[in-house]
Amino acid sequence: AQSVAQPEDQVNVAEGNPLTVKCTYSVSGNPYLFWYVQYPNRGLQFLLKYITGDNLVKGSYGFEAEFNKSQTSFHLKKPSALVSDSALYFCAVRDPGNTGKLIFGQGTTLQVKP
Amino acid sequence: SAVISQKPSRDICQRGTSLTIQCQVDSQVTMMFWYRQQPGQSLTLIATANQGSEATYESGFVIDKFPISRPNLTFSTLTVSNMSPEDSSIYLCSVTRDRGYNEQFFGPGTRLTVL
Repeated sequence: AQSVAQPEDQVNVAEGNPLTVKCTYSVSGNPYLFWYVQYPNRGLQFLLKYITGDNLVKGSYGFEAEFNKSQTSFHLKKPSALVSDSALYFCAVRDPGNTGKLIFGQGTTLQVKP
Repeated sequence: SAVISQKPSRDICQRGTSLTIQCQVDSQVTMMFWYRQQPGQSLTLIATANQGSEATYESGFVIDKFPISRPNLTFSTLTVSNMSPEDSSIYLCSVTRDRGYNEQFFGPGTRLTVL
């Protein structure tokens, strides 16, 4: 079965430091991977995606993600964290087939402290 | 991208009643989905709203509890029927212009509290 795992419930970093939010996946066929961010009392905002091509994907707000096929990982990164990056982050993979469904990880809360 | 609105944004309801949530998109989309996000949890897909036909429900969700309509390519409704406190969640509408090969766009959500 297809699945996504985010092994950390919460990540704490100091402002200005680099951040990494981890994601691993299990899917048959070529993966279509996504990162979303959810601010309090808001819907999900799309950050970036991997479909094919370069393993390093750049997205919104200075975020990037590195696709690693051998490790089946798609970690979210940012070179210098901001306090305003504090939010809930979800990794997702497209379910194979023609359904268009997304399978979400359990989410990681990022806390950036000044 | 797509601009998605949901109504209501939040509601407090009594046990045993029903609430209908509306999702409106600013342009035609291929697929529309309804998700539930229980407090402190991830998103769980309830169903895919199919234009002009019955929705496709995920395991654990049934039409009698969550009837869905999609009369055209820009609008869908989700009804939460015979509510109980366990239905207290955020309900999110999402859309995609293809079959999910690119990003889905999400509405702002409807925060439902059932007393």
